[in-house]
Amino acid sequence: DGGITQSPKYLFRKEGQNVTLSCEQNLNHDAMYWYRQDPGQGLRLIYYSQIVNDFQKGDIAEGYSVSREKKESFPLTVTSAQKNPTAFYLCASSVGQGADEQYFGPGTRLTVT
Amino acid sequence: SQQGEEDPQALSIQEGENATMNCSYKTSINNLQWYRQNSGRGLVHLILIRSNEREKHSGRLRVTLDTSKKSSSLLITASRAADTASYFCATFVQYGNKLVFGAGTILRVKS
Repeated sequence: DGGITQSPKYLFRKEGQNVTLSCEQNLNHDAMYWYRQDPGQGLRLIYYSQIVNDFQKGDIAEGYSVSREKKESFPLTVTSAQKNPTAFYLCASSVGQGADEQYFGPGTRLTVT
Repeated sequence: SQQGEEDPQALSIQEGENATMNCSYKTSINNLQWYRQNSGRGLVHLILIRSNEREKHSGRLRVTLDTSKKSSSLLITASRAADTASYFCATFVQYGNKLVFGAGTILRVKS
């Protein structure tokens, strides 16, 4: 099956710990994205990558880091510097940058206590 | 504030009725896209309309775009209980190089 997978579906962490969310795609897409969704709100862009070994900050990058060492993978690390990390995190990919339709993974719900 | 604003915030209708959701935006766009999200799941792309198009159809979906009013509407005809979801518009802003999502409309279709 082609698509985007995110793991785990639910993640619980203690405050002060870094945590890495996985995102893998087998669609051969060049561009990948990470979004954050809070209750009753739309998606806000954290980071995006248009090509391997390159990535750009989105609107809310503070407290997050990413890497893009392989075309298929775009992991997101939520660091202890992120002041309010509890949220639903969505990964997406597209054939090219920006203007194309985006394909989304099922999401990871992160709870930090 | 966000580029895209959906209206209404929530909509409740009976099965078989039509559902209309609206989206307004502020700056010039390359295209406008509509997505659906079932509770606790990822988003699913529904339809993309380019800035030089006025109307587009896909199955029971009809999207219109009025660039002079900076607004779009999504019409779902003959709604079904399975259409219950949140619907988001997203705009690709010219020279912005990213999609900007609105806060969404929650649609509930009662059977």
